[in-house]
Amino acid sequence: EDQVTQSPEALRLQEGESSSLNCSYTVSGLRGLFWYRQDPGKGPEFLFTLYSAGEEKEKERLKATLTKKESFLHITAPKPEDSATYLCAVRGSGSARQLTFGSGTQLTVLP
Amino acid sequence: GAVVSQHPSWVICKSGTSVKIECRSLDFQATTMFWYRQFPKQSLMLMATSNEGSKATYEQGVEKDKFLINHASLTLSTLTVTSAHPEDSSFYICSALAGHEQFFGPGTRLTVL
Repeated sequence: EDQVTQSPEALRLQEGESSSLNCSYTVSGLRGLFWYRQDPGKGPEFLFTLYSAGEEKEKERLKATLTKKESFLHITAPKPEDSATYLCAVRGSGSARQLTFGSGTQLTVLP
Repeated sequence: GAVVSQHPSWVICKSGTSVKIECRSLDFQATTMFWYRQFPKQSLMLMATSNEGSKATYEQGVEKDKFLINHASLTLSTLTVTSAHPEDSSFYICSALAGHEQFFGPGTRLTVL
């Protein structure tokens, strides 16, 4: 059974204070690791897909990296508008295209 | 990225009535769509996988007779909550598969009085 654990559950940063969110996973045959951003009362917004260890992707202040056991979402010089819940999910080879989600990290960036 | 819409964005209904939620892929065709439920401060819980032209596959513990799913075209899936009760109040989110990536709708807030 695929499993995803995200840490920390909640993170408060000052504006400009860089940090990283962690996503640890166990999966049978990784077919993709996905990062989403979710604002309160809205559906998740797609950020990145990573497929193999060593892969990295960037978008504005966000950078996602992947190893064989975990993924990190690095946030550089965050702004208050980066405040949201960040969700990590994996798709394994036996999951029939379904995603297994972690419980998320609630990020608050203070001005 | 691909765009998925949901309608309505919120609905309030009386106990015992049925509610239909629509999920559309606007700029792509989706043979597979998913329906999730999310409780406050919790992650997404997959309810069912919807495949165009065939019966939906429900997750364990989800009542298929209560949550009716129809995926009649490559751009539309519907979720009908039948005989809704207050415990069905939740945030329902659909998503659609575009290649290897999954895009989500904005969600529907259902409140059953």
